[in-house]
Amino acid sequence: SSELTQDPAVSVALGQTVRIACQGDSLRSYSASWYQQKPGQAPLLVIYGKNKRPSGIPVRISGSSSGTTSSLTITGAQADDEADYYCNSRDSSGSRVFGGGTKLTVL
Amino acid sequence: QVRLQQWGAGLLKPSETLSLTCAVYGDSFSAFFWNWIRQSPGKGLEWIGESRPSGGSNYNPSLESRVTISVDTSKNQVFMNLSSVTAADTAVYYCARGNYGNDLDFWGQGGLVTVSS
Repeated sequence: SSELTQDPAVSVALGQTVRIACQGDSLRSYSASWYQQKPGQAPLLVIYGKNKRPSGIPVRISGSSSGTTSSLTITGAQADDEADYYCNSRDSSGSRVFGGGTKLTVL
Repeated sequence: QVRLQQWGAGLLKPSETLSLTCAVYGDSFSAFFWNWIRQSPGKGLEWIGESRPSGGSNYNPSLESRVTISVDTSKNQVFMNLSSVTAADTAVYYCARGNYGNDLDFWGQGGLVTVSS
């Protein structure tokens, strides 16, 4: 399959931990990267290479993967983490593919 | 620091060709993949295609018949043309740099393109 599947919406209480999952067959072969997008802004790379953070991304944001699922975890969610999150990888033909996105609400 | 600045027509009529340019500042150009991504209003991200560092391009199969991505290495610019646009092509279009780790690490500011008669 060339699709990446994400839950449309997830909520977390302030200060709690939340995991956002991305599922797809291609994730057995290609690592996922994760992007945070706030309203009116371009997406921002927050996790790459399974669990690496670009400079400036807080350590409370981490990534992991197992089999056909990659996950983004926010430990101690802050109000500033409220955003849409997208996973991205390649499919078997080499084309890039995005997940449908997960809207994270911090309560 | 790498910066991507993009521009192009914001309003098109159905059947016209969308043309966008993305200028890259601050880093090596030829070593990277140069991507275009779009986002329809209220929807998710859709990959359009990329120009490869070795030459050639790779496109989303759903758009391949209408899209062309090219580069001018002398100007560090990336171009995208999308022909025969319809209202379904109304979206914010982004350019983004891809690396060999399959990440999109730098993005342009995005630009809204509206297709309307």
